[in-house]
Amino acid sequence: GAGVSQSPSNKVTEKGKDVELRCDPISGHTALYWYRQSLGQGLEFLIYFQGNSAPDKSGLPSDRFSAERTGGSVSTLTIQRTQQEDSAVYLCASSLVVGLAGFNEQFFGPGTRLTVL
Amino acid sequence: AQTVTQSQPEMSVQEAETVTLSCTYDTSENNYYLFWYKQPPSRQMILVIRQEAYKQQNATENRFSVNFQKAAKSFSLKISDSQLGDTAMYFCAFHSGNQFYFGTGTSLTVIP
Repeated sequence: GAGVSQSPSNKVTEKGKDVELRCDPISGHTALYWYRQSLGQGLEFLIYFQGNSAPDKSGLPSDRFSAERTGGSVSTLTIQRTQQEDSAVYLCASSLVVGLAGFNEQFFGPGTRLTVL
Repeated sequence: AQTVTQSQPEMSVQEAETVTLSCTYDTSENNYYLFWYKQPPSRQMILVIRQEAYKQQNATENRFSVNFQKAAKSFSLKISDSQLGDTAMYFCAFHSGNQFYFGTGTSLTVIP
């Protein structure tokens, strides 16, 4: 079956422009995560969606970053007024259930490489 | 806050040999999960192995096994009979509640 997909795979933008990154999770997966992976760094948690609950936005680095998940499926990560330090790979992951009572594996997308000039 | 530390930025191993990647973590929680993920140059993160903290037995998946030392908060990954396809970044991760915490990764190169 289809895995997690992300688009675009690469995005080059100019400083100050807004960008939208898209994630299509695996059908039926209720949990969705966004991570940022900077060069030489691990994955930095950005935001988490679980079903219809309010998202956990605790990892968003500034108010220029926002995300939404429409209909409990597709998610869009928006970065406004991009800065050079926003350059990174943005990874999306989905899973069936999150939590110790019913953990399921996270499935990752291939990521979007964002370059801000 | 949970932290995950991988102290080996780069490692190499001869093909068919065994290599161990180290990981330590810090938490005050008693119930959690630990993972090793592999990220090849394609960027696709792949789950290699996972360990439930309440299980004392070390997890094993074919050539991959872990040494989980809960008291020491240590979670190392052993790769036996290394293959060229094992060349990748390896990330250790801690999971509790809603969040996952990742280490900075170890770049492993398998030398022919």
